[in-house]
Amino acid sequence: GAVVSQHPSRVICKSGTSVKIECRSLDFQATTMFWYRQFPKQSLMLMATSNEGSKATYEQGVEKDKFLINHASLTLSTLTVTSAHPEDSSFYICSAAFGTAGSPLHFGNGTRLTVT
Amino acid sequence: DAKTTQPNSMESNEEEPVHLPCNHSTISGTDYIHWYRQLPSQGPEYVIHGLTSNVNNRMASLAIAEDRKSSTLILHRATLRDAAVYYCILKNSGGSNYKLTFGKGTLLTVNP
Repeated sequence: GAVVSQHPSRVICKSGTSVKIECRSLDFQATTMFWYRQFPKQSLMLMATSNEGSKATYEQGVEKDKFLINHASLTLSTLTVTSAHPEDSSFYICSAAFGTAGSPLHFGNGTRLTVT
Repeated sequence: DAKTTQPNSMESNEEEPVHLPCNHSTISGTDYIHWYRQLPSQGPEYVIHGLTSNVNNRMASLAIAEDRKSSTLILHRATLRDAAVYYCILKNSGGSNYKLTFGKGTLLTVNP
């Protein structure tokens, strides 16, 4: 089945530094990728929709200058958390879509970000 | 997005069937019913989806009410590995909107 690979699975960084998270679709071309954030004991919150070759669409309340998204190819999208702060510590999850709009999404295994 | 309503939590015993309900009274004709589950510290995993007819796959069965205002995910024999949060989500098949919006889901506990 379709596989989405997310890297790294876990990262610890110091406050003020930037962290890049990669999301790859391994055996299909993803025209659209999504980035979610999940805080402990809460549901997934959609942050942005990433379209190959165009600017990402951010959900209300998500700072586009803080969470930089690049979708340079049909198999790779990256999320960069810039000038990270402890409140950015969270579980970040990407997903990729292919096929029709009614088709299932495929998710990465998530990245646990801890900002110290 | 049309909303879904699920119980916050359910409990089951190992090797017994589990029926996870979902209400979606405002479903539209082009909404697919999707189920995903999330194990602790992992990304969500696709379970099953359907439009009008009941569906079966190797993981589960999906029973859809005739009026489509509710559905039930059926795990035929629960195992400890089925303990997870189960999300019932409506996904519109119209246009190019691939977005999935997650609700709170149902936390399934499986007792040995």
